Amino acid sequence: GAVVSQHPSWVICKSGTSVKIECRSLDFQATTMFWYRQFPKQSLMLMATSNEGSKATYEQGVEKDKFLINHASLTLSTLTVTSAHPEDSSFYICSASRGDIYNEQFFGPGTRLTVL
Amino acid sequence: GIQVEQSPPDLILQEGANSTLRCNFSDSVNNLQWFHQNPWGQLINLFYIPSGTKQNGRLSATTVATERYSLLYISSSQTTDSGVYFCAVAGTGFQKLVFGTGTRLLVSP
Repeated sequence: GAVVSQHPSWVICKSGTSVKIECRSLDFQATTMFWYRQFPKQSLMLMATSNEGSKATYEQGVEKDKFLINHASLTLSTLTVTSAHPEDSSFYICSASRGDIYNEQFFGPGTRLTVL
Repeated sequence: GIQVEQSPPDLILQEGANSTLRCNFSDSVNNLQWFHQNPWGQLINLFYIPSGTKQNGRLSATTVATERYSLLYISSSQTTDSGVYFCAVAGTGFQKLVFGTGTRLLVSP
Protein backbone atom coordinates (compact mmCIF):
# COMPACT_ATOMS: atom_id res chain seq x y z
CA GLY A 1 0.00 0.00 0.00
CA ALA A 2 0.84 3.74 0.04
CA VAL A 3 1.46 4.22 -3.67
CA VAL A 4 1.79 7.70 -5.14
CA SER A 5 1.78 8.37 -8.87
CA GLN A 6 2.78 11.41 -10.89
CA HIS A 7 1.90 12.41 -14.41
CA PRO A 8 3.60 13.13 -16.69
CA SER A 9 6.96 11.46 -16.04
CA TRP A 10 8.70 13.99 -18.21
CA VAL A 11 7.67 17.03 -20.20
CA ILE A 12 9.39 19.39 -22.60
CA CYS A 13 7.79 22.75 -23.24
CA LYS A 14 8.55 26.08 -24.83
CA SER A 15 9.40 29.13 -22.79
CA GLY A 16 6.30 31.09 -21.81
CA THR A 17 3.91 28.16 -21.72
CA SER A 18 2.29 26.63 -18.64
CA VAL A 19 2.71 23.03 -17.51
CA LYS A 20 0.50 21.06 -15.13
CA ILE A 21 1.80 18.12 -13.10
CA GLU A 22 -0.58 15.75 -11.32
CA CYS A 23 0.10 13.85 -8.11
CA ARG A 24 -2.27 11.09 -7.03
CA SER A 25 -2.39 8.84 -4.00
CA LEU A 26 -3.64 5.54 -5.45
CA ASP A 27 -4.56 3.46 -2.42
CA PHE A 28 -5.00 5.88 0.45
CA GLN A 29 -6.49 9.26 1.23
CA ALA A 30 -3.87 11.96 1.55
CA THR A 31 -4.83 14.74 3.90
CA THR A 32 -1.58 16.51 3.13
CA MET A 33 0.55 16.57 -0.01
CA PHE A 34 3.95 18.13 -0.51
CA TRP A 35 5.80 19.39 -3.57
CA TYR A 36 9.59 19.27 -3.81
CA ARG A 37 12.12 20.40 -6.36
CA GLN A 38 15.47 18.75 -7.00
CA PHE A 39 18.34 20.08 -9.09
CA PRO A 40 20.99 17.70 -10.48
CA LYS A 41 23.22 16.18 -7.80
CA GLN A 42 21.45 18.13 -5.07
CA SER A 43 19.03 17.32 -2.30
CA LEU A 44 15.28 17.82 -2.29
CA MET A 45 13.94 21.25 -1.41
CA LEU A 46 10.37 21.62 -0.18
CA MET A 47 8.37 24.09 -2.27
CA ALA A 48 4.95 23.95 -0.64
CA THR A 49 2.57 22.01 1.57
CA SER A 50 -1.05 21.57 0.59
CA ASN A 51 -4.04 20.35 2.55
CA GLU A 52 -7.20 19.22 0.84
CA GLY A 53 -9.62 22.07 0.33
CA SER A 54 -7.36 24.84 1.56
CA LYS A 55 -4.68 27.11 0.16
CA ALA A 56 -1.16 25.81 -0.08
CA THR A 57 1.57 27.02 2.26
CA TYR A 58 4.64 28.03 0.31
CA GLU A 59 8.22 27.95 1.56
CA GLN A 60 10.18 31.16 1.69
CA GLY A 61 11.46 32.18 -1.70
CA VAL A 62 8.94 30.16 -3.71
CA GLU A 63 6.78 32.31 -5.98
CA LYS A 64 3.10 31.59 -5.38
CA ASP A 65 2.04 33.04 -8.73
CA LYS A 66 4.64 31.01 -10.62
CA PHE A 67 3.90 27.66 -8.96
CA LEU A 68 0.15 27.22 -8.55
CA ILE A 69 -0.90 24.34 -6.32
CA ASN A 70 -4.39 22.90 -6.10
CA HIS A 71 -5.43 20.09 -3.73
CA ALA A 72 -9.01 19.58 -4.77
CA SER A 73 -9.56 16.10 -3.38
CA LEU A 74 -8.04 13.68 -0.90
CA THR A 75 -6.30 11.81 -3.71
CA LEU A 76 -5.20 14.53 -6.13
CA SER A 77 -2.93 17.55 -6.01
CA THR A 78 -1.70 19.51 -9.02
CA LEU A 79 1.27 21.80 -9.56
CA THR A 80 1.08 24.25 -12.44
CA VAL A 81 4.26 25.99 -13.52
CA THR A 82 3.02 29.17 -15.15
CA SER A 83 4.89 31.03 -17.88
CA ALA A 84 7.75 28.57 -17.62
CA HIS A 85 11.31 29.67 -18.32
CA PRO A 86 14.52 27.65 -18.74
CA GLU A 87 15.47 28.26 -15.10
CA ASP A 88 12.31 26.37 -14.07
CA SER A 89 13.75 23.22 -15.62
CA SER A 90 14.12 20.74 -12.79
CA PHE A 91 12.92 17.45 -11.29
CA TYR A 92 9.64 17.94 -9.42
CA ILE A 93 8.58 15.34 -6.86
CA CYS A 94 5.39 15.11 -4.84
CA SER A 95 4.72 13.22 -1.65
CA ALA A 96 1.63 12.39 0.35
CA SER A 97 0.89 11.74 3.97
CA ARG A 98 -2.02 9.73 5.35
CA GLY A 99 -2.39 12.21 8.18
CA ASP A 100 -2.15 9.56 10.87
CA ILE A 101 -0.01 9.91 13.97
CA TYR A 102 3.07 8.68 12.12
CA ASN A 103 3.20 11.42 9.43
CA GLU A 104 5.19 9.14 7.16
CA GLN A 105 5.51 10.55 3.64
CA PHE A 106 5.30 8.48 0.47
CA PHE A 107 6.84 9.83 -2.70
CA GLY A 108 5.83 9.85 -6.33
CA PRO A 109 8.28 8.91 -9.10
CA GLY A 110 8.90 12.53 -10.07
CA THR A 111 8.42 14.65 -13.18
CA ARG A 112 11.35 15.92 -15.19
CA LEU A 113 10.57 19.32 -16.70
CA THR A 114 12.68 20.81 -19.47
CA VAL A 115 11.85 24.30 -20.67
CA LEU A 116 13.38 25.27 -24.01
CA GLY B 1 14.94 25.55 11.36
CA ILE B 2 16.18 22.04 11.93
CA GLN B 3 19.50 21.11 10.33
CA VAL B 4 20.32 17.68 8.91
CA GLU B 5 23.82 16.48 8.08
CA GLN B 6 24.74 13.20 6.43
CA SER B 7 28.07 11.48 6.24
CA PRO B 8 30.01 10.41 4.34
CA PRO B 9 29.02 12.38 1.24
CA ASP B 10 30.41 9.68 -1.06
CA LEU B 11 31.14 6.01 -0.53
CA ILE B 12 32.64 3.43 -2.86
CA LEU B 13 32.39 -0.24 -1.92
CA GLN B 14 33.20 -3.58 -3.36
CA GLU B 15 30.27 -5.94 -3.70
CA GLY B 16 29.80 -7.89 -0.49
CA ALA B 17 31.15 -5.19 1.82
CA ASN B 18 29.23 -3.67 4.73
CA SER B 19 28.70 0.05 5.32
CA THR B 20 27.29 2.51 7.82
CA LEU B 21 25.69 5.81 6.84
CA ARG B 22 25.11 8.49 9.44
CA CYS B 23 22.50 11.23 9.84
CA ASN B 24 22.85 13.95 12.48
CA PHE B 25 20.02 16.35 13.24
CA SER B 26 19.93 19.49 15.33
CA ASP B 27 16.62 19.28 17.23
CA SER B 28 13.91 16.92 18.49
CA VAL B 29 12.05 15.09 15.75
CA ASN B 30 8.69 13.38 15.34
CA ASN B 31 9.56 11.82 12.00
CA LEU B 32 12.77 10.45 10.54
CA GLN B 33 12.79 8.60 7.26
CA TRP B 34 15.55 6.97 5.22
CA PHE B 35 15.22 6.82 1.45
CA HIS B 36 17.11 5.33 -1.46
CA GLN B 37 16.92 7.37 -4.65
CA ASN B 38 17.40 5.10 -7.63
CA PRO B 39 19.00 6.17 -10.94
CA TRP B 40 15.57 7.13 -12.33
CA GLY B 41 14.96 9.53 -9.45
CA GLN B 42 12.37 7.51 -7.57
CA LEU B 43 12.60 7.78 -3.80
CA ILE B 44 12.16 4.39 -2.19
CA ASN B 45 11.04 4.40 1.45
CA LEU B 46 13.52 2.34 3.45
CA PHE B 47 12.59 3.08 7.03
CA TYR B 48 10.29 5.26 9.08
CA ILE B 49 12.32 5.42 12.29
CA PRO B 50 12.01 8.44 14.61
CA SER B 51 13.41 6.23 17.38
CA GLY B 52 14.56 2.67 17.98
CA THR B 53 15.89 -0.03 15.68
CA LYS B 54 14.39 -1.72 12.63
CA GLN B 55 15.62 -4.33 10.19
CA ASN B 56 14.53 -5.22 6.70
CA GLY B 57 16.61 -7.89 5.02
CA ARG B 58 20.17 -6.66 4.52
CA LEU B 59 19.29 -3.20 5.73
CA SER B 60 18.83 -2.01 9.28
CA ALA B 61 18.53 1.37 10.95
CA THR B 62 18.91 2.77 14.42
CA THR B 63 17.85 6.18 15.68
CA VAL B 64 19.05 7.49 19.03
CA ALA B 65 16.69 10.42 19.42
CA THR B 66 18.21 11.67 22.67
CA GLU B 67 21.60 12.02 20.96
CA ARG B 68 20.10 13.27 17.69
CA TYR B 69 21.51 10.82 15.21
CA SER B 70 20.46 7.91 13.07
CA LEU B 71 22.49 5.18 11.39
CA LEU B 72 21.67 3.13 8.32
CA TYR B 73 23.51 -0.18 7.97
CA ILE B 74 23.88 -1.96 4.66
CA SER B 75 25.28 -5.47 4.84
CA SER B 76 26.60 -7.64 2.01
CA SER B 77 26.18 -4.77 -0.44
CA GLN B 78 25.08 -5.44 -4.02
CA THR B 79 25.49 -3.37 -7.17
CA THR B 80 21.76 -2.63 -7.05
CA ASP B 81 22.33 -0.79 -3.75
CA SER B 82 24.08 1.98 -5.70
CA GLY B 83 22.39 5.36 -5.66
CA VAL B 84 21.84 8.19 -3.23
CA TYR B 85 20.65 7.63 0.32
CA PHE B 86 18.76 10.45 1.99
CA CYS B 87 17.82 10.99 5.58
CA ALA B 88 14.89 13.36 6.18
CA VAL B 89 13.44 14.62 9.44
CA ALA B 90 10.45 16.58 10.67
CA GLY B 91 10.88 18.62 13.81
CA THR B 92 8.47 18.16 16.71
CA GLY B 93 5.20 19.88 15.86
CA PHE B 94 5.95 20.02 12.14
CA GLN B 95 4.84 17.85 9.24
CA LYS B 96 7.32 18.99 6.63
CA LEU B 97 10.46 16.97 6.04
CA VAL B 98 13.91 18.53 5.87
CA PHE B 99 16.30 16.49 3.77
CA GLY B 100 19.98 15.94 4.37
CA THR B 101 22.47 16.36 1.54
CA GLY B 102 22.61 12.63 0.93
CA THR B 103 25.26 9.92 0.69
CA ARG B 104 26.15 8.82 -2.83
CA LEU B 105 26.94 5.10 -2.80
CA LEU B 106 28.62 3.21 -5.59
CA VAL B 107 28.95 -0.55 -5.27
CA SER B 108 31.31 -2.07 -7.78
CA PRO B 109 31.29 -5.73 -8.83
